[in-house]
Amino acid sequence: DIQMTQSPSSLSASVGASVTITCQASQDITNYLHWYQQKPGQAPKLLIYEASNLQTGVPSRFSGSGSGTHFTFTISSLQPEDIATYYCQQYDNLPITFGQGTRLEIK
Amino acid sequence: QVQLQESGPGLVKPSQTLSLTCSVSGASISKSVYYWGWIRQPPGRDLEWIGYIYYTGSSFYNPSLKGRVAISVDTSNNQFSLKVNSVTAADTAVYFCVTVGMARLEFDSWGQGALVTVSA
Repeated sequence: DIQMTQSPSSLSASVGASVTITCQASQDITNYLHWYQQKPGQAPKLLIYEASNLQTGVPSRFSGSGSGTHFTFTISSLQPEDIATYYCQQYDNLPITFGQGTRLEIK
Repeated sequence: QVQLQESGPGLVKPSQTLSLTCSVSGASISKSVYYWGWIRQPPGRDLEWIGYIYYTGSSFYNPSLKGRVAISVDTSNNQFSLKVNSVTAADTAVYFCVTVGMARLEFDSWGQGALVTVSA
């Protein structure tokens, strides 16, 4: 199985700050990676597909980049509604696997 | 947007079979460009992909569930179902039904989730 390692596991930042989360794959997954946001008590929501493409309707302050084994997810100006846990997901090989999540809090 | 709704027992005894159904609206299972899948999340823990199925019956499962899982489709009722047999406390989780994009295996639409507790 491809292991997906996210860092940090938790993060606290101020409103308006730029926030970056990284996701490292245990082998080359090209750009076969998605990012999700899960707010407390809700189902996850797809934000970024194929590493860098913004899902329709998602605010442009969210972005993703990377290829191979190293990927980043950035919120350019943190908003209070961005409080959530963020997950990466690879689909290069079955089984589909997720990172362990990054919990984002407002400072 | 496709809407999904899970239903089924919230409590299952150890060694028995967990059964959930996902009702689909906004799309026809048999005319769709999606796979239909299940993901679970133990309380306070990470997401685990369980498997997905195409309306023809072609399916793929996570080997971590050691062959205890079956997903089926009911095109006449526009539903799909999950069965996990020989459950233990480790199967306690919120179970989400999802649409799975065929080209990129992204989970685009999600049900609200159904908590299933395995306990005697």
